[in-house]
Amino acid sequence: SQTIHQWPATLVQPVGSPLSLECTVEGTSNPNLYWYRQAAGRGLQLLFYSVGIGQISSEVPQNLSASRPQDRQFILSSKKLLLSDSGFYLCAWSVQGVQETQYFGPGTRLLVL
Amino acid sequence: QKEVEQNSGPLSVPEGAIASLNCTYSDRGSQSFFWYRQYSGKSPELIMFIYSNGDKEDGRFTAQLNKASQYVSLLIRDSQPSDSATYLCAAIVTGNQFYFGTGTSLTVIP
Repeated sequence: SQTIHQWPATLVQPVGSPLSLECTVEGTSNPNLYWYRQAAGRGLQLLFYSVGIGQISSEVPQNLSASRPQDRQFILSSKKLLLSDSGFYLCAWSVQGVQETQYFGPGTRLLVL
Repeated sequence: QKEVEQNSGPLSVPEGAIASLNCTYSDRGSQSFFWYRQYSGKSPELIMFIYSNGDKEDGRFTAQLNKASQYVSLLIRDSQPSDSATYLCAAIVTGNQFYFGTGTSLTVIP
């Protein structure tokens, strides 16, 4: 069966510090991968998605970036965090195809102070 | 106009009652629809998906799709306190993009 991991689970970072969040998927090959952010009390905002190694599409221009160095690894980064980057970061995967059910990882809760 | 819209609630129902959650979508070309449940502080988990007009049942959950009226609903029969969560509706729209609604908060009162 497929499993998706995210780490760290929680993170407290000062404004201006760098960020690296990691997501890995097990049990499947060539997944679509997604990064979402959910601010407190708000909906899911799609940040990035990837259909393959090195292929990243950005939905919202901001100070975040994403990379996919391996088939089942997706990384979210920032060089300098802003207060507004606080939120719940969710990685999701789906099978490439016509009807792409998305499955979510456990998430990383980020607090920028 | 948002692609997928939900009433944010909160919706409160007594234990044992039927909870009805509704969602509308704007893209008439949308083909696939999903319901996720999200407990406070946790990630969304898939409850069920529906592609065809009509009803689809899975245990206490029934998804209903009406493409002519562009709405999707989720019925929860015999609601339990453990069903208290935020329910997210999602749709795959033309261009194969996945859109989530902002969610409806459900509280089941014992």
